[in-house]
Amino acid sequence: AQTVTQSQPEMSVQEAETVTLSCTYDTSESDYYLFWYKQPPSRQMILVIRQEAYKQQNATENRFSVNFQKAAKSFSLKISDSQLGDAAMYFCAYGILGRISNFGNEKLTFGTGTRLTIIP
Amino acid sequence: EAQVTQNPRYLITVTGKKLTVTCSQNMNHEYMSWYRQDPGLGLRQIYYSMNVEVTDKGDVPEGYKVSRKEKRNFPLILESPSPNQTSLYFCASSKLWDRKVYSPLHFGNGTRLTVT
Repeated sequence: AQTVTQSQPEMSVQEAETVTLSCTYDTSESDYYLFWYKQPPSRQMILVIRQEAYKQQNATENRFSVNFQKAAKSFSLKISDSQLGDAAMYFCAYGILGRISNFGNEKLTFGTGTRLTIIP
Repeated sequence: EAQVTQNPRYLITVTGKKLTVTCSQNMNHEYMSWYRQDPGLGLRQIYYSMNVEVTDKGDVPEGYKVSRKEKRNFPLILESPSPNQTSLYFCASSKLWDRKVYSPLHFGNGTRLTVT
């Protein structure tokens, strides 16, 4: 079974500084996706960034970037120039293509989350 | 506006009183799913549906039922709620993925359920 591990329950960073959130996963699949979701106090689940396993290039979205190490099964999120609005719970998640008919995202497997605090 | 709508946003009930949490999407998505979020456990899948009349269990289906009679709706039913079902619930939907063609998962805004 696939598992996703976030070993940092809480992190804090000074505003404008850089912070890295860790995520490791376990899978025997070769074709999968990895995601980082942000959950602010409003409870919305907001997709921050995704990475396709077959792509060697690390995904980047503005101030957010990932360090994807497929062999090590590691997927960390780097937030540059941290802003007060980045304060949230961050979830790492793993998803695979369906087995029934090669279609479908049957489920995402989530980590337990990292609560990020931004210090003004 | 494309969205997944869950109702109610908050619900307090008593043990054993049947309840339904509704979920509706306006994006013509085939795939819909329910998750529950608990502190220290992240989000775990309860049930999912690949299309109308096609549903299957996720990781934590015990105590829950679902139905998919229409493509847009995917209600979550708790026939006899218990305190261990106190949680934050999310409905989500997406188009079915084609190989190498990613389709994002859209989440509703969550339902906070308290069972006393």
